[in-house]
Amino acid sequence: DGGITQSPKYLFRKEGQNVTLSCEQNLNHDAMYWYRQDPGQGLRLIYYSQIVNDFQKGDIAEGYSVSREKKESFPLTVTSAQKNPTAFYLCASSILAGAVNEQFFGPGTRLTVL
Amino acid sequence: EDKVVQSPLSLVVHEGDTVTLNCSYEVTNFRSLLWYKQEKKAPTFLFMLTSSGIEKKSGRLSSILDKKELFSILNITATQTGDSAVYLCAVGLYTGNQFYFGTGTSLTVIP
Repeated sequence: DGGITQSPKYLFRKEGQNVTLSCEQNLNHDAMYWYRQDPGQGLRLIYYSQIVNDFQKGDIAEGYSVSREKKESFPLTVTSAQKNPTAFYLCASSILAGAVNEQFFGPGTRLTVL
Repeated sequence: EDKVVQSPLSLVVHEGDTVTLNCSYEVTNFRSLLWYKQEKKAPTFLFMLTSSGIEKKSGRLSSILDKKELFSILNITATQTGDSAVYLCAVGLYTGNQFYFGTGTSLTVIP
């Protein structure tokens, strides 16, 4: 089955710790995205990547880091510099360039900082 | 600054009612407008609109885009309790292949 997987589903972290959220896709999509969703709010873009070894900051990149070493994988690290990391994190992918396209979403990771 | 605004923020209706959800946008390099349904987990895709005046339909749901007035509406007829969800509007840009999301409309359908 083609799709996007995220792990873990739930994650608890102590203040001051870095944590990495996994996102893998087997859709052969070029573009991948990380969003953050807080209660009662829409999705806000953290980082996105259009091609391997390249990525750009979104609107709320401070306190986060990413890598794109493989087309299939786009892990997100939430660092201790992120002041309010408790949120629902969604990874998405889309076919890049040319034709218009939709985003496909993974199931999400709910991060709670204790 | 690019932005996407949805209204109303929340809506409570009775089964069988018809609802209209609104999405307006101000962006540069508009490419597409997308509607998603989110039920406590990942958003699921409903429609993608790129041309004005062409209605997209799927069962009881339909949507249309007005690129001159910069808005889209999502209609749901004969609502059911299973329609209860947050409906998200997103605008896709040519620039960087980015998407901007609105805050969503929370729909609750009461039996």
